Amino acid sequence: AQSVTQLDSQVPVFEEAPVELRCNYSSSVSVYLFWYVQYPNQGLQLLLKYLSGSTLVKGINGFEAEFNKSQTSFHLRKPSVHISDTAEYFCAVKRGTGGGADGLTFGKGTHLIIQP
Amino acid sequence: EPEVTQTPSHQVTQMGQEVILRCVPISNHLYFYWYRQILGQKVEFLVSFYNNEISEKSEIFDDQFSVERPDGSNFTLKIRSTKLEDSAMYFCASNPQGETDGYTFGSGTRLTVV
Repeated sequence: AQSVTQLDSQVPVFEEAPVELRCNYSSSVSVYLFWYVQYPNQGLQLLLKYLSGSTLVKGINGFEAEFNKSQTSFHLRKPSVHISDTAEYFCAVKRGTGGGADGLTFGKGTHLIIQP
Repeated sequence: EPEVTQTPSHQVTQMGQEVILRCVPISNHLYFYWYRQILGQKVEFLVSFYNNEISEKSEIFDDQFSVERPDGSNFTLKIRSTKLEDSAMYFCASNPQGETDGYTFGSGTRLTVV
C-alpha cells in the first residue's frame, strides 16, 4: 500500500515570496505522483504530475515539483506567490503498475495562506 | 475545457435515508471514480468503475454503497441507509483511459446527514 505525508497543515507566506510545500511518500513499488489544488468551494484541479523521465516537473500557475527517489519526496515550489494562490494543496500517489482502475492516495493537504 | 459535473452541490438527508449522488463524467473518458473527504481530513478513494463494473474498491466501500452507470452518461453513488459519519464531501472523477492520464475531478457534493 502507498501512503503520503504532508508535514505542514498550514503554510503562511507573504505575497511575492517563494514557497515550498513538502510531500513525502511511502511505497514498495514504483509510483506516479500528483499535486492537486482546491480553491474554496471548488473541486480538485491538477497542478502537475510526475510519471517518469525528468525529475523536475513544471505545472500550471508557475508551480513546479521535484521528484527525489532517494528521499521519497515530491515537494512543490513556486518562486513568487500571489494572493490568488491561497488554497488547499494535496499531494497524491498512485501505483505505477496498477493500471487505470487504481485510485489515488492523498495526503492530508496543506493550506497555503498568502499574506499581503 | 471539458468538465466533470456533480449534482446536487449540497444535500441534506436524515439518518437512515437512502441518498443518490449524481455525476456526469467527461464523455470520452473510460474510468470513473468516487472519493470522499470528511471535513478536515484527507481525500479518500472509494471505488473505481470501468466497462460497466467495479474495478477496485476500498475498505470504506462496504455493502451500504453501490455505483451505477444507468444510461451511458450519468455515474451515480448510492448510499442505502445513511449514517451520521457519512457526512462528507463526495467527489466524482474520470480518467480517459490509462494510468498515465490525469484524473479530472468534479466540484463535489457536500452530503450532510442529520
